[in-house]
Amino acid sequence: GQNIDQPTEMTATEGAIVQINCTYQTSGFNGLFWYQQHAGEAPTFLSYNVLDGLEEKGRFSSFLSRSKGYSYLLLKELQMKDSASYLCAVLGNGDSNYQLIWGAGTKLIIKP
Amino acid sequence: DTGVSQDPRHKITKRGQNVTFRCDPISEHNRLYWYRQTLGQGPEFLTYFQNEAQLEKSRLLSDRFSAERPKGSFSTLEIQRTEQGDSAMYLCASSFSSPYNEQFFGPGTRLTVL
Repeated sequence: GQNIDQPTEMTATEGAIVQINCTYQTSGFNGLFWYQQHAGEAPTFLSYNVLDGLEEKGRFSSFLSRSKGYSYLLLKELQMKDSASYLCAVLGNGDSNYQLIWGAGTKLIIKP
Repeated sequence: DTGVSQDPRHKITKRGQNVTFRCDPISEHNRLYWYRQTLGQGPEFLTYFQNEAQLEKSRLLSDRFSAERPKGSFSTLEIQRTEQGDSAMYLCASSFSSPYNEQFFGPGTRLTVL
């Protein structure tokens, strides 16, 4: 089967750093996406990793280890507006085409 | 172009009724996806189009669900004989032709079946 695991909820303090982990077991691997979703809104793209290593983009960084089936999203200098759900999605093999397989998301709560 | 739009934003219907949702993708995008999302879960893939061709449909999708993209631009998702279990947020997304491209999501249509 295909499985993506993320923690359900995390809490962090404004100004701090938080790491959100994602492990996956999928049929095929063609890259991993991170999306941010504020409550009641649509997901928005954060990052895409297809090779091992760290991709840095401003306050957000994403890491991938294909051999371990593992990724993390690192958020630095946390702001209150970072309170949202963070969705990990793997581009795997669907029935006939590539398909995004989504995790359930990690709800991040930022406290002052 | 201001992004992906969906209509309506909210729909309340009675069990057994048919409903239809519309999605207008970003005009340069030729891929269009439909997802369903329930509270506390990630999006669940329903189907996707490359231009006007429906290339994949989830095996979990019942025969009551049908989608079209007649001219390769906007798309409609119809649910016939709605059930309470159909209550969810229905998201549409579009992207350029490669599956490696990020998907841009619309605001969603929230369906409540009474």
